[in-house]
Amino acid sequence: QVQLVESGGGVVQPGESLRLSCVASGLIFRNHGFHWVRQAPGQGLEWVAVIWNDGLKKYYEGSVKGRFTISRDDSKNTIYLEMNSLRAEDTAVYFCARIAGVFYSDYWGQGVLVTVSS
Amino acid sequence: DIQMTQSPSSLSASVGDRVTITCQASQDISKRLNWYQQKPGQAPQLLIYGASTLQTGVPSRFSGGGSGTDFTFTISSLQPEDVATYYCQQYDDLATVTFGPGTKVEI
Repeated sequence: QVQLVESGGGVVQPGESLRLSCVASGLIFRNHGFHWVRQAPGQGLEWVAVIWNDGLKKYYEGSVKGRFTISRDDSKNTIYLEMNSLRAEDTAVYFCARIAGVFYSDYWGQGVLVTVSS
Repeated sequence: DIQMTQSPSSLSASVGDRVTITCQASQDISKRLNWYQQKPGQAPQLLIYGASTLQTGVPSRFSGGGSGTDFTFTISSLQPEDVATYYCQQYDDLATVTFGPGTKVEI
């Protein structure tokens, strides 16, 4: 079955960088786009970024534009989120999610915690 | 940017009750709306896509409706396992999405 497994989270100081990974299995990876969605402690879901199946179209939420980069490696069935210049407000659980059909997300990873604190 | 609102922000109902949540978009989104359920400590789960299509494997007590700017999500007979937060999500042609603030359902 489809599985998405995130990794790479941790505790970093403001201004530092972190790279998240999301490894997918049980699917034809190149056929799907993926989202990164985050959830700050006790808060709702916030969309972060999307990458289309072609790897060329990438879009970002306003507060992360210019700081975060989404990418994919189809040879490794992996989605990445490179996060630079991290801020306290980036503290959240980060989920990757598969895009299916007309832009709904039917499979999600378990999430990975990123904590930005001095 | 399209903004999404949900009401109520929380509700408490009894087992067997009919529960309805509304979601409003700041502009016409046709039927570009999905609904997710999130239980504490878990990832979101897709329930409804395209405003009214039930995802495979999701119980038929869940339903969705609406188009344009106004949408509804209904649980026809609330069950104990339905305790969760429910989010609406709109999407556009670029696959960018916006979530509503969520509705916490308790028993």
